[in-house]
Amino acid sequence: EIVLTQSPGTLSLSPGERATLSCRASQSVSSSYLAWYQQKPGQAPRLLIYGASSRATGIPDRFSGSGSGTDFTLTISRLEPEDFAVYYCQQYGSSPTFGQGTKVEIK
Amino acid sequence: QVQLVQSGAEVKKPGASVKVSCKASGYTFTSYGISWVRQAPGQGLEWMGWISAYNGNTNYAQKLQGRVTMTTDTSTSTAYMELRSLRSDDTAVYYCARTYSSGQPFDYWGQGTLVTVSS
Repeated sequence: EIVLTQSPGTLSLSPGERATLSCRASQSVSSSYLAWYQQKPGQAPRLLIYGASSRATGIPDRFSGSGSGTDFTLTISRLEPEDFAVYYCQQYGSSPTFGQGTKVEIK
Repeated sequence: QVQLVQSGAEVKKPGASVKVSCKASGYTFTSYGISWVRQAPGQGLEWMGWISAYNGNTNYAQKLQGRVTMTTDTSTSTAYMELRSLRSDDTAVYYCARTYSSGQPFDYWGQGTLVTVSS
């Protein structure tokens, strides 16, 4: 099983600031089968990024993903009030796994 | 628009079974699969398995093998997830999510179904 470790656990930032979230895999993620999801309280997760760097339909361009192999990053260029949430990375190979999440909170 | 609408909350006793439904609309049901993911209270996301709506092929998480069964009814565009021999640590919100095929991201999600296991 591929274990995904996200850091930091919590990120305290102000609106307008840049957020950088990290996801490290215990082994190489094949063909960049790496996605990022956003989850707000009481809601289902929402797909943001797939293939490590492709934005899903309707996702604003302030969200970007990068990385390959075992190290991946989600960047939110300028935080909007609606971006404060928990973010999960996921590898979606034959046995998908999720990271434990990074909470982005208002400072 | 794509929608996945799940059945309502359930309360079950330890040892019982639960069956959650997920009704799809807004796309060709048999062209995609459905993944199931659960989230225990205050915890992260756990993948449970995937089923092809085209041919019924399944891929279950090893941890749940023998306790979970996923099925589809193409006549009603509905997917089902049954979990047996429930334990208290099965208490969670259960989500269905559209997945093109095994090895693809989960692009649309249901609203979630809370299953509480308590004596």
